[in-house]
Amino acid sequence: GNSVTQMEGPVTLSEEAFLTINCTYTATGYPSLFWYVQYPGEGLQLLLKATKADDKGSNKGFEATYRKETTSFHLEKGSVQVSDSAVYFCALASYSSASKIIFGSGTRLSIRP
Amino acid sequence: NAGVTQTPKFRVLKTGQSMTLLCAQDMNHEYMYWYRQDPGMGLRLIHYSVGEGTTAKGEVPDGYNVSRLKKQNFLLGLESAAPSQTSVYFCASSYSVLDTGDSGANVLTFGAGSRLTVL
Repeated sequence: GNSVTQMEGPVTLSEEAFLTINCTYTATGYPSLFWYVQYPGEGLQLLLKATKADDKGSNKGFEATYRKETTSFHLEKGSVQVSDSAVYFCALASYSSASKIIFGSGTRLSIRP
Repeated sequence: NAGVTQTPKFRVLKTGQSMTLLCAQDMNHEYMYWYRQDPGMGLRLIHYSVGEGTTAKGEVPDGYNVSRLKKQNFLLGLESAAPSQTSVYFCASSYSVLDTGDSGANVLTFGAGSRLTVL
């Protein structure tokens, strides 16, 4: 079946550091891929998405490229800020997942001033 | 503001009590979902609905029931609460989960969450 695996957290970085959060997936067909972010005390919200191979999603300085050859959708940001501290979830949706969006387990990111 | 509203935000129950969580959305979305979030487990799908009058089981449906009598509302019920159901519950909705070519079609909009404690 379909699944999403993302790197274990927590991840702690200093402000202005480079960020990578790894995400790989298993799916039949051609899934759409997402990154959602959850700020403290809030629900999840969409950060970025990509719907086909080689697409790059971007938002708020974050980027992720849909790599079909490596079945990956790693999240990157060149210079993180304290306000980026949150939990990040990788997710996929596909016809074979029968109306369900599948989430990874989440990665908690903490940024030190 | 348009969006997904969950009530209540907090609730404490005793083992064996029953309760209902209400989710309401005003975006005319067809699909609605209930997830639970537990430390280290990410989000797990409890039940979902692809339209008014329909419901389906997700990954962890045992101990929960749902109803979608109106398109805008999705209710999650616990008939006999257990400590294992202590969690944060999130409702979400979308136009469609499948890629229809509309960039917004399969994006989930989440509520702020309902924290439930079962003693």
